[in-house]
Amino acid sequence: GNSVTQMEGPVTLSEEAFLTINCTYTATGYPSLFWYVQYPGEGLQLLLKATKADDKGSNKGFEATYRKETTSFHLEKGSVQVSDSAVYFCALTPSGGYQKVTFGIGTKLQVIP
Amino acid sequence: SQTIHQWPATLVQPVGSPLSLECTVEGTSNPNLYWYRQAAGRGLQLLFYSVGIGQISSEVPQNLSASRPQDRQFILSSKKLLLSDSGFYLCAWNEAGTGGTSGNTIYFGEGSWLTVV
Repeated sequence: GNSVTQMEGPVTLSEEAFLTINCTYTATGYPSLFWYVQYPGEGLQLLLKATKADDKGSNKGFEATYRKETTSFHLEKGSVQVSDSAVYFCALTPSGGYQKVTFGIGTKLQVIP
Repeated sequence: SQTIHQWPATLVQPVGSPLSLECTVEGTSNPNLYWYRQAAGRGLQLLFYSVGIGQISSEVPQNLSASRPQDRQFILSSKKLLLSDSGFYLCAWNEAGTGGTSGNTIYFGEGSWLTVV
């Protein structure tokens, strides 16, 4: 079956530091890949997505590139802010058939001033 | 545009009492609907999904049930709550279909905090 693996964290960074949250996946075919963000006490919001190999999703200074050869979709941001403190979920949907989403465990990010 | 709402946002229920969480989606037809649970400090657990009215699939055996009485309405219920039912419950939807390379994004409601005491 499909699976998504990401670092559990927590990840603690100082403001303006560089962020990388690793995500690797197992799936057949060409799944679509997503990053969701969950701020404290809220639901999940779509942060970015990529639907085919070598696509780069970007939003709010975050980026992730769909790497088919390494089955990865790592999340990066060049300079984090305190307001980026949240839990980040990597996810995939399969390339055909019923669109059930597989999520990673979520990585908690804490940015300190 | 499409919107999703779930309620109530917060509730505290005694052990053994019933539960009803409701979710509605607007601006789309025949969506896939989901209920997830997120226990404190843990990831998302898919509880139920539905591809149409009256069609419910359960992912894990548990004390909860789900129903879809209308196309865009999804209800999570329990006849008798357990302490272990406490958590953050999320309703979600995405478009029906085979997806292909279109990237079938899933959208979440605001969440409902349930504390069983």
